[in-house]
Amino acid sequence: GAVVSQHPSWVICKSGTSVKIECRSLDFQATTMFWYRQFPKQSLMLMATSNEGSKATYEQGVEKDKFLINHASLTLSTLTVTSAHPEDSSFYICSARDFRQKNTEAFFGQGTRLTVV
Amino acid sequence: AQKITQTQPGMFVQEKEAVTLDCTYDTSDPSYGLFWYKQPSSGEMIFLIYQGSYDQQNATEGRYSLNFQKARKSANLVISASQLGDSAMYFCAMSPGTGGFKTIFGAGTRLFVKA
Repeated sequence: GAVVSQHPSWVICKSGTSVKIECRSLDFQATTMFWYRQFPKQSLMLMATSNEGSKATYEQGVEKDKFLINHASLTLSTLTVTSAHPEDSSFYICSARDFRQKNTEAFFGQGTRLTVV
Repeated sequence: AQKITQTQPGMFVQEKEAVTLDCTYDTSDPSYGLFWYKQPSSGEMIFLIYQGSYDQQNATEGRYSLNFQKARKSANLVISASQLGDSAMYFCAMSPGTGGFKTIFGAGTRLFVKA
């Protein structure tokens, strides 16, 4: 299957700082990437849909100024958690779809565990 | 509105036996895809199996099979010959035909395989 690389796999940051998470599709072009957040023992909650070359579409209740998403190329999307606070601590995971294939599986990155202290 | 429901928070199965994980869904889209993913404790999401809404036959992938009952809007996952390594969280997911192919997930079922 296709490979999606997410970096970093874990990060600890101080409250008030910003953290950037990268999601790369290594062997296919992903016009669309998705960012999810997962709290312990809970399901994946979609945060936003990232489209290459355009603004991200955020799900209801997700602060777009808090979670900045950039999708500058067909293989890279970034999520920046701005002015992070302890309540932003969570597992963040991205997924990407091959634009040439419809209704095939989304390929996931390894996830990033963010801890804000 | 689209929704995925997994009613089993946890399941136990004896090693080498089969287990069925339940999933029901709700969508008004005529075209959609159904997926099952496995999430071990490491956090990665491992794709297991896919079923398209227009597929006539139930999907199978090795020890995994999807019992697709379209009229009942159910897509249960059957794992045959369970192995200790199957212990993990399992998520049922759906990608509606509209909405940019975003995938929505059920609450998940934690499977415990006993030796």
